Amino acid sequence: GAGVSQTPSNKVTEKGKYVELRCDPISGHTALYWYRQSLGQGPEFLIYFQGTGAADDSGLPNDRFFAVRPEGSVSTLKIQRTERGDSAVYLCASSYGAGKNEQFFGPGTRLTVL
Amino acid sequence: SQELEQSPQSLIVQEGKNLTINCTSSKTLYGLYWYKQKYGEGLIFLMMLQKGGEEKSHEKITAKLDEKKQQSSLHITASQPSHAGIYLCGAARNLIQGAQKLVFGQGTRLTINP
Repeated sequence: GAGVSQTPSNKVTEKGKYVELRCDPISGHTALYWYRQSLGQGPEFLIYFQGTGAADDSGLPNDRFFAVRPEGSVSTLKIQRTERGDSAVYLCASSYGAGKNEQFFGPGTRLTVL
Repeated sequence: SQELEQSPQSLIVQEGKNLTINCTSSKTLYGLYWYKQKYGEGLIFLMMLQKGGEEKSHEKITAKLDEKKQQSSLHITASQPSHAGIYLCGAARNLIQGAQKLVFGQGTRLTINP
């Protein structure tokens, strides 16, 4: 079956603009994660969804970042008033359930804030 | 300092040679994941280790977990050009509701010279 997909693959925006990044998890996966990867670093956890609810958003850097998953499948990461420091690759992962399950990663969205 | 330190950060080896990548945690390891990443792509799951002393192999890649030393190593035998990429170790850290997030090292960039 299809893996995790993310759109767009690349997004270039100007400082101060609003952006939305979309993640389509593997069908049937109830757990969904967002990570952010800066150049030369490993991914950093942002937020975790179990079903429709954000079970843990402790990794979101500030209140400009928000994510939703209204129907328990597709998720959207929203960034308001983007800053140059938000430039990174945003990765989405899904797993069959919570706990010790392999997380399957999407190809990521490369965000560049000019 | 990073919670997970990988060494070396960069590695260049001749095709056919063996190599080892190390991952050391500053906290107790309850589960350790190894992923591989190529530029512009998501993370590809390699192996998951959960018990002290556990060792897993897939094709020419072997990973071991030493819980006492809070370390894991990834060993590639008879390296091939297809092994080139960035190798990331990720430690499982508990979230609520039994879920786990992954905390990653900074990655090891592996280049294979023909």
